[in-house]
Amino acid sequence: EAGVTQSPTHLIKTRGQQATLRCSPISGHTSVYWYQQALGLGLQFLLWYDEGEERNRGNFPPRFSGRQFPNYSSELNVNALELEDSALYLCASSPPRAPQPQHFGDGTRLSIL
Amino acid sequence: KQEVTQIPAALSVPEGENLVLNCSFTDSAIYNLQWFRQDPGKGLTSLLLIQSSQREQTSGRLNASLDKSSGRSTLYIAASQPGDSATYLCAGRPSGGYQKVTFGTGTKLQVIP
Repeated sequence: EAGVTQSPTHLIKTRGQQATLRCSPISGHTSVYWYQQALGLGLQFLLWYDEGEERNRGNFPPRFSGRQFPNYSSELNVNALELEDSALYLCASSPPRAPQPQHFGDGTRLSIL
Repeated sequence: KQEVTQIPAALSVPEGENLVLNCSFTDSAIYNLQWFRQDPGKGLTSLLLIQSSQREQTSGRLNASLDKSSGRSTLYIAASQPGDSATYLCAGRPSGGYQKVTFGTGTKLQVIP
């Protein structure tokens, strides 16, 4: 069984640009969660999608947005990139009726120059 | 608002030693408490999940306990090995609805051969 997959593995951008990160959940999982893990900081909750709907959102500005597609894959968009957006972005998924992150991908390392 | 604290932030022990990692949470109305492991630059791997109705869970050399009344959970690792070196995070899930899981900042464990 394939795990949670994220792409790209690494992404280098400059300030002001836009970044798109992608996540494919485990087959049969309907919830996708996004987290930001900046160097030296803990996991900060970004977004939670379930059955195509946004269910919860962390304390991040509106330039962090995302969506979930009918096949339950998801993408995270970050507009107007700032230096402090440099972090490891982790995606997790969970099956129906088990609404908490259980299986994590290995993340996308976003570096802002 | 749930807050999850893990002390110490880092721990170094010789191989073979038994050790305990601590996790404290402020809101005792949790649904479950989960322990994860994170290797450098990687995603999180779920180790143990304790439901609020349970007192402990065991998997191999790992044993996790939960005391809701005191707001504490511990992860016991027996006969530590260099391969146990990683960051360990605990996460509390609140009861009801699409309430987000709160992660602790983790304890970085180094097991010295």
